[in-house]
Amino acid sequence: KQEVTQIPAALSVPEGENLVLNCSFTDSAIYNLQWFRQDPGKGLTSLLLIQSSQREQTSGRLNASLDKSSGRSTLYIAASQPGDSATYLCAAPSSPNSGGSNYKLTFGKGTLLTVNP
Amino acid sequence: SQTIHQWPATLVQPVGSPLSLECTVEGTSNPNLYWYRQAAGRGLQLLFYSVGIGQISSEVPQNLSASRPQDRQFILSSKKLLLSDSGFYLCAWRGRRVNTEAFFGQGTRLTVV
Repeated sequence: KQEVTQIPAALSVPEGENLVLNCSFTDSAIYNLQWFRQDPGKGLTSLLLIQSSQREQTSGRLNASLDKSSGRSTLYIAASQPGDSATYLCAAPSSPNSGGSNYKLTFGKGTLLTVNP
Repeated sequence: SQTIHQWPATLVQPVGSPLSLECTVEGTSNPNLYWYRQAAGRGLQLLFYSVGIGQISSEVPQNLSASRPQDRQFILSSKKLLLSDSGFYLCAWRGRRVNTEAFFGQGTRLTVV
């Protein structure tokens, strides 16, 4: 059974700082891993999907990495801004080697990021 | 482009009353559809998923049920709500290709009183 852990649970940084959010997963037989952002009281916004064949995936100031062998992914946020304040969630496929119709996601509990002006 | 609609945004219901939450997806066909629940201090829990019309898989035993009467419509229901059904309910969809993203609706905040 896939288990996803995110550390730290909360992080507070000053504006402009570069930061790294960590995600670990127990079942490494995955095709991809997805990072989401959730603002208070809102749904999830997809940030990045990184494929198992990729080591990194970039979108603007965000860079996600994936190391299947160690069961870890990181989300790097460059030059953080107060608008980046949100909960960041990592999600990995629940079943080994699932990619198509039987695809389900297991989520970590998230990292609550606060960027102080 | 694809969009997902979920309503209502908030709902306050008495214990023992019925529930119906609806989710629809536009701009795609034959999506996988999901219902998740997010309780305070806990992660997202998958409740149901569907790979096609009338095909529902339940992930956890509970007081809820789901139906998919049309390709892009997913409904979460209960005949009698319990206090423990309170939470934030999220609908999601995903295409069938291997490396494709999942997308979520804006959620429904359900409070059972």
